Amino acid sequence: KAGVTQTPRYLIKTRGQQVTLSCSPISGHRSVSWYQQTPGQGLQFLFEYFSETQRNKGNFPGRFSGRQFSNSRSEMNVSTLELGDSALYLCASSLRRTIQETQYFGPGTRLLVL
Amino acid sequence: AQRVTQPEKLLSVFKGAPVELKCNYSYSGSPELFWYVQYSRQRLQLLLRHISRESIKGFTADLNKGETSFHLKKPFAQEEDSAMYYCALSITQGGSEKLVFGKGTKLTVNP
Repeated sequence: KAGVTQTPRYLIKTRGQQVTLSCSPISGHRSVSWYQQTPGQGLQFLFEYFSETQRNKGNFPGRFSGRQFSNSRSEMNVSTLELGDSALYLCASSLRRTIQETQYFGPGTRLLVL
Repeated sequence: AQRVTQPEKLLSVFKGAPVELKCNYSYSGSPELFWYVQYSRQRLQLLLRHISRESIKGFTADLNKGETSFHLKKPFAQEEDSAMYYCALSITQGGSEKLVFGKGTKLTVNP
């Protein structure tokens, strides 16, 4: 099976702009989680989607949003970008919702905000 | 508040030496703990989970609720074990589960 894919892999934006990142889970996986990884804060949970519904959300401002489509593909959007949003954004998919399911991570999208 | 602490950012050992990567957690509920690994230029992947009580690539980890620890151990380190290791805690919040990660330990196994 193909692994989790994320597009684009690299992105440069300027402050105030918005950005949309895409994640395609492993075929058959219905749960998609998003994480932000920075050198200072490490890996932080953003949100989880299952069956097109956001099931859980981390401690991030409302500028961070996401959605999931009927084919389980997910997008996350960051509006009004700030310099501190520069990070590696990872998505992970799993077959079901329970955390006992192994999460499979994508390669990440590296976002640089100038 | 729930928290995962990995006290060592960097750990360097020689090949064949024992290695222990420390992980301490803070959580009022029943902990579910994991170790994830990221090899150079590869994706983050699950190494092991405490509930399975498994040994993967010679690594084991025992949950010690008294010391709130989940240290990762291997008796004889190999050069291919060099990687970034993350300890993670599953927490239940609002009826849903999420992973809280430590900041990671970079393990270097020298020849």
